[in-house]
Amino acid sequence: EPEVTQTPSHQVTQMGQEVILRCVPISNHLYFYWYRQILGQKVEFLVSFYNNEISEKSEIFDDQFSVERPDGSNFTLKIRSTKLEDSAMYFCASKGSYTDTQYFGPGTRLTVL
Amino acid sequence: GESVGLHLPTLSVQEGDNSIINCAYSNSASDYFIWYKQESGKGPQFIIDIRSNMDKRQGQRVTVLLNKTVKHLSLQIAATQPGDSAVYFCAEKGNAGGTSYGKLTFGQGTILTVHP
Repeated sequence: EPEVTQTPSHQVTQMGQEVILRCVPISNHLYFYWYRQILGQKVEFLVSFYNNEISEKSEIFDDQFSVERPDGSNFTLKIRSTKLEDSAMYFCASKGSYTDTQYFGPGTRLTVL
Repeated sequence: GESVGLHLPTLSVQEGDNSIINCAYSNSASDYFIWYKQESGKGPQFIIDIRSNMDKRQGQRVTVLLNKTVKHLSLQIAATQPGDSAVYFCAEKGNAGGTSYGKLTFGQGTILTVHP
């Protein structure tokens, strides 16, 4: 069964450093998402991406965040200058056309020290 | 009301019992609802979904009920098993009347513990 994959599973970084989180969505999906979950809290929407551009973003997704689909399979989230409060689980999700069901990856745990 | 931080609602049941997990949603314009199961250290796993033009949908051992009048969603799990122990999240997708790219708004989650 196709699934969303994410790398790395755990990323530790120093405050102020740049990180790139990587995702491989399900192969025939066209809609891509990033969500985050701070420990013990609910999952929060960050950004949606379709047709090579951002379609919607939340207030969390400020100028420090960017997304890219560098090739036909990868979807990345970049945080330019990490802050302590960026520590969270980051989930990538994807969905196909004509459906609303989003499938989530296993997540990347980001720890900012 | 909404809980913040570690104070998630909990439900504790015996193996074999039926479980009912409830969720209140906020947006009366939402047109799609979905339940996810999240085990420790893993991503949300799709369980079942329902559109706003339905009030009930059944899957294998799971049923979702939607009451739009009171903006309430529930997940029923039949013959609950220890492997069902996890955090369960409801999520809704709004319909702003235009193109929707599918942003999901998640509820707070409920911790289900199944005792053998």
